[in-house]
Amino acid sequence: GAVVSQHPSRVICKSGTSVKIECRSLDFQATTMFWYRQFPKQSLMLMATSNEGSKATYEQGVEKDKFLINHASLTLSTLTVTSAHPEDSSFYICSARTPEDQETQYFGPGTRLLVL
Amino acid sequence: KNQVEQSPQSLIILEGKNCTLQCNYTVSPFSNLRWYKQDTGRGPVSLTIMTFSENTKSNGRYTATLDADTKQSSLHITASQLSDSASYICVVRGRGSYIPTFGRGTSLIVHP
Repeated sequence: GAVVSQHPSRVICKSGTSVKIECRSLDFQATTMFWYRQFPKQSLMLMATSNEGSKATYEQGVEKDKFLINHASLTLSTLTVTSAHPEDSSFYICSARTPEDQETQYFGPGTRLLVL
Repeated sequence: KNQVEQSPQSLIILEGKNCTLQCNYTVSPFSNLRWYKQDTGRGPVSLTIMTFSENTKSNGRYTATLDADTKQSSLHITASQLSDSASYICVVRGRGSYIPTFGRGTSLIVHP
């Protein structure tokens, strides 16, 4: 149980375009989802916390107008990288938490974004 | 500032050998510590979780230890397999905080 999927698994886009990444909890309802970014050989860095039906809470230094997060349902959160630039190329990972277990985050498989 | 430091940064061992990865943290007050395995290009998968009162926890060939007094943890892998090649990440959560602190991970390569 507690499976989280992400789509797409990898995407290549041109500089200036926008890219949407989906994060789904497949077998549970996730009231809270988290979005992370991971650069090569670096740790996961929390970008934002997404609560269903409310605005996301962004970490310091993360531009909310550039990284749009929508958590419209209990099983889906989306991250849109707007006007992507090469420096946005990274590995984006989401995680979800079940209402019954606030301690555990279940991670998705990640999305590799390459901006040309 | 809460920090989690892992060592070594990378490690290469032969298949069948044992190895131990280290994690030192400054997160306080402490709630729990997790070890994750992250395969290349994949999301992290939880191996073990330990709270303040737990000294050791095993998951198959993986055994984690915790010394909350010295704020140190280790992950011991026994009889390594090729599939153990991955990044192992130590994650510590402080009491009262829902946002954990991630270590940079130790990259383990197991050679045949």
